[in-house]
Amino acid sequence: QVQLVQSGAEVKKPGASVKVSCKVSGYTLTELSMHWVRQAPGKGLEWMGGFDPEDGETIYAQKFQGRVTMTEDTSTDTAYMELSSLRSEDTAVYYCATATIVVVPAAMLPFDYWGQGTLVTVSS
Amino acid sequence: DIQMTQSPSSLSASVGDRVTITCRASQSISSYLNWYQQKPGKAPKLLIYAASSLQSGVPSRFSGSGSGTDFTLTISSLQPEDFATYYCQQSYSTPPGITFGQGTRLEIK
Repeated sequence: QVQLVQSGAEVKKPGASVKVSCKVSGYTLTELSMHWVRQAPGKGLEWMGGFDPEDGETIYAQKFQGRVTMTEDTSTDTAYMELSSLRSEDTAVYYCATATIVVVPAAMLPFDYWGQGTLVTVSS
Repeated sequence: DIQMTQSPSSLSASVGDRVTITCRASQSISSYLNWYQQKPGKAPKLLIYAASSLQSGVPSRFSGSGSGTDFTLTISSLQPEDFATYYCQQSYSTPPGITFGQGTRLEIK
């Protein structure tokens, strides 16, 4: 059983950066493909990026390339997502999510575990 | 990028109704299609993976079908707790990456 516990809500000014953490328990981070998904108020789910189990590399959605960095600290089993040059449109709930189902190809990435979400508000 | 289009965008139904939600991919994604349910203020919950496999713990009234470009999520007999927003997700083409449908909001009639 995996648990993903995210850091608390953040308020940032336009142009600043935010770093959200996702602490893993029940598994080690090296056993998981961690991804990040965000959801603006009243809007749908938007994938930001994550670990591609086929290539063994982190991939980012084109929309966020150059602005997002996803890292992992395997000593503490904590994943991080840092988003820079924040603008008001980045106001959203940010989720970490992972897939542990092994009966399908790893690339199928059915996210069966999610963090509780972190609200990031960008406002001057 | 692969685009995922859900229909309808919203739906009103009654308890006990049979409901079908459709997801169409802009190109073939084999069976790389997952379905989620999301309730307000909560993280999404995985319902169906690989187009038709029921996630552990999910009631059997939920089912999924399809392959290639056309997929459906069916709820055989709506229960009060099923009123939520449903999303499809593809991961066939990574890179460039994962995409979600725009969501289908299921409301009580």
